[in-house]
Amino acid sequence: DQQVKQNSPSLSVQEGRISILNCDYTNSMFDYFLWYKKYPAEGPTFLISISSIKDKNEDGRFTVFLNKSAKHLSLHIVPSQPGDSAVYFCAARLNYGGATNKLIFGTGTLLAVQP
Amino acid sequence: DTAVSQTPKYLVTQMGNDKSIKCEQNLGHDTMYWYKQDSKKFLKIMFSYNNKELIINETVPNRFSPKSPDKAHLNLHINSLELGDSAVYFCASRPTGGEYYGYTFGSGTRLTVV
Repeated sequence: DQQVKQNSPSLSVQEGRISILNCDYTNSMFDYFLWYKKYPAEGPTFLISISSIKDKNEDGRFTVFLNKSAKHLSLHIVPSQPGDSAVYFCAARLNYGGATNKLIFGTGTLLAVQP
Repeated sequence: DTAVSQTPKYLVTQMGNDKSIKCEQNLGHDTMYWYKQDSKKFLKIMFSYNNKELIINETVPNRFSPKSPDKAHLNLHINSLELGDSAVYFCASRPTGGEYYGYTFGSGTRLTVV
């Protein structure tokens, strides 16, 4: 039962263009959504997050959009740079209260930015 | 000055052996996690500790036993290793409270069981 899905295993874009990575989820109880970036042989690194009560969060070239009615979020990278080439994971938080919460991850999208 | 460090980075071992993976964080975080990334690249939570107490225990075979001697360390011991245990294991940590920025991950331990 995969609660967070990234249906595109890979995406290729030209340098300078927009990259759009998509993520769908099924559980209405998620209270935060995050994007992580991962290079080979490294751990995932936090990129940007959004609370479930917001519909947009922006940080430099990165913007995350949340559509709660569609249970869909997307990450926009503008302009895309070759250094952005990595695997991007969508994650959603289940909060049980107190210190107890966990992130549920999608399977990732490999982004390749062509020079 | 590594924030979350795991050792070893690579581990190759035979079926039936017992092995341990160590994790240390110097961020002062209260909560630590073990995640497993399988061959399909799916990152799945295994355990979570808060101030040395187990707070999350997903459906994991009891051959896997985490131990947290203090809040900066979370180790993972695996008994009677099986081929299906081959994966990359990630340790992560986060602070309690404050604005939410998710977890800080280590660079992973690639376990290969032959």
